[in-house]
Amino acid sequence: DGGITQSPKYLFRKEGQNVTLSCEQNLNHDAMYWYRQDPGQGLRLIYYSQIVNDFQKGDIAEGYSVSREKKESFPLTVTSAQKNPTAFYLCASRQTSGTSTDTQYFGPGTRLTVL
Amino acid sequence: GEDVEQSLFLSVREGDSSVINCTYTDSSSTYLYWYKQEPGAGLQLLTYIFSNMDMKQDQRLTVLLNKKDKHLSLRIADTQTGDSAIYFCAEKPGNTGKLIFGQGTTLQVKP
Repeated sequence: DGGITQSPKYLFRKEGQNVTLSCEQNLNHDAMYWYRQDPGQGLRLIYYSQIVNDFQKGDIAEGYSVSREKKESFPLTVTSAQKNPTAFYLCASRQTSGTSTDTQYFGPGTRLTVL
Repeated sequence: GEDVEQSLFLSVREGDSSVINCTYTDSSSTYLYWYKQEPGAGLQLLTYIFSNMDMKQDQRLTVLLNKKDKHLSLRIADTQTGDSAIYFCAEKPGNTGKLIFGQGTTLQVKP
């Protein structure tokens, strides 16, 4: 069963705590992405990685960190420096080689609520 | 700069056609995409169109691309209540690996 998994689906944390969101894919995709979605808004890019051990900041990277130690995994840490972390977080992946249409495929999302 | 604009809301009756519109700014975009998001879920790819095409049809979905006006539309024929969702338009500028998303259009289908 191939796809992108994100866990947990719902996450509650106290203000001031760091929290790590998981994203795993078994599609053998090279590139992975993290987006943030707020109510009534489109998706905003946080970080992306096009190859293992390398990643770039997106449009709203402040207060977030990532790692890409394995091709399959791209965890996102929401740090205490992120001013308004409550949001819906979406992970995506993309094949970069061959006859790729550059399509990004999305996971089911994690809803983070900071109390 | 890069920007994608969509109207925020569309309401139609079941059985009617729905047309969701999108404008984009980057003329170097190679692919344009339509995604569907149901409540509390991730984004599901509906269809995409390559920038050298004018039209693409896939069952009830028709995508029209006017590259001169940088206008993209998604037509859903015989709209069903199960089509109620948020629809996102996205462009892929040039050789970047990034997608630029619109704000999303909420489609409400009334029985």
